[in-house]
Amino acid sequence: DADVTQTPRNRITKTGKRIMLECSQTKGHDRMYWYRQDPGLGLRLIYYSFDVKDINKGEISDGYSVSRQAQAKFSLSLESAIPNQTALYFCATSDSSRGARNTEAFFGQGTRLTVV
Amino acid sequence: AQKVTQAQTEISVVEKEDVTLDCVYETRDTTYYLFWYKQPPSGELVFLIRRNSFDEQNEISGRYSWNFQKSTSSFNFTITASQVVDSAVYFCALSEASTGRRALTFGSGTRLQVQP
Repeated sequence: DADVTQTPRNRITKTGKRIMLECSQTKGHDRMYWYRQDPGLGLRLIYYSFDVKDINKGEISDGYSVSRQAQAKFSLSLESAIPNQTALYFCATSDSSRGARNTEAFFGQGTRLTVV
Repeated sequence: AQKVTQAQTEISVVEKEDVTLDCVYETRDTTYYLFWYKQPPSGELVFLIRRNSFDEQNEISGRYSWNFQKSTSSFNFTITASQVVDSAVYFCALSEASTGRRALTFGSGTRLQVQP
């Protein structure tokens, strides 16, 4: 099983609908992130969370909200989806604990969202 | 503000050629981390390497090598004797230590096509 799991993997939704993308991890990492990938733009940070009680906006948070239900779960919601939110969405985790040897982010497999 | 520039949008080479992917970064932090990720056609993000700002040693791993030069704010990636399986989008990314969030700022990516 993947260490960082995103559901669904693919989703088509209509404009104005509410949709939730879910992310769960088994790595025991404290930090979780949501990124969005658009062609030619790389990945951009939507939201990040240091722990269950700490949620922070990234560079492109407008139109999105998140919920950190537990250390292992971090959900991204689009309250009213619009076509320009069509993109590939990635969840990621990283470990900030003292002595952590690696600071790279571990990514889920991505959720391809299409808003029609 | 931090920034990563990958000026090469797309590179096409013939198998067995060497290819270098350029990455230039901007940061005001004295402590930061640089990363390379590979995104094959299947879409997942695969971590390749991390380099700390205080460690300018170049690194070689099999056919892959990385050249980190603080003087020019560059962290270039070379694939020697390229293979078709190297075809992917490659992302360079930067994380600043001072913010604590350890989120990544990505370049826009370089698509590498290796022709047989």
